[in-house]
Amino acid sequence: DAGVIQSPRHEVTEMGQEVTLRCKPISGHDYLFWYRQTMMRGLELLIYFNNNVPIDDSGMPEDRFSAKMPNASFSTLKIQPSEPRDSAVYFCASSFGFQETQYFGPGTRLLVL
Amino acid sequence: GESVGLHLPTLSVQEGDNSIINCAYSNSASDYFIWYKQESGKGPQFIIDIRSNMDKRQGQRVTVLLNKTVKHLSLQIAATQPGDSAVYFCAENSGYALNFGKGTSLLVTP
Repeated sequence: DAGVIQSPRHEVTEMGQEVTLRCKPISGHDYLFWYRQTMMRGLELLIYFNNNVPIDDSGMPEDRFSAKMPNASFSTLKIQPSEPRDSAVYFCASSFGFQETQYFGPGTRLLVL
Repeated sequence: GESVGLHLPTLSVQEGDNSIINCAYSNSASDYFIWYKQESGKGPQFIIDIRSNMDKRQGQRVTVLLNKTVKHLSLQIAATQPGDSAVYFCAENSGYALNFGKGTSLLVTP
């Protein structure tokens, strides 16, 4: 298996622009997680899905953030409009079962100018 | 609130020595713990896990110890190699979600 795939790997955008991050989980995994990592706050869970259904989005910072999972092999995290404070590395992870090992993708490094 | 934290933010060891990375957790309901390794520019990589019905688990060159009495978790790396240099995170799962500690940076010197 190729592991969790994320795109793009790097994104540089200007404040106010829409940003869409993409994730392909490991085939067969039924849980998908979106995390944000910064030096100040470490790894933070934003939202997670079970069988394509959002279960908990309490970690989503504000309404500018939204996530979807239209099918078992694809998820997006969208920021609209983006702000400089959104600059971080965004990771997607998937697992087979909730209390099972989460496997992380390589991350998307986002810089909002 | 509940938290997972690490005692030491940085650890420097000589190649060949054993490394011990510590982690404290505060949620007594946590029953699943994982250690991840994160190299620069990469995502966290699973190393080893342990469930609360165990107090020790061994992998290849790594051992995780769990002390539920004092809510302490440690990762031991035997014969540390330069490739072990990375940030190590402990994470606990109490059935809600993974809660990550801040991380410990391990630097292996020749």
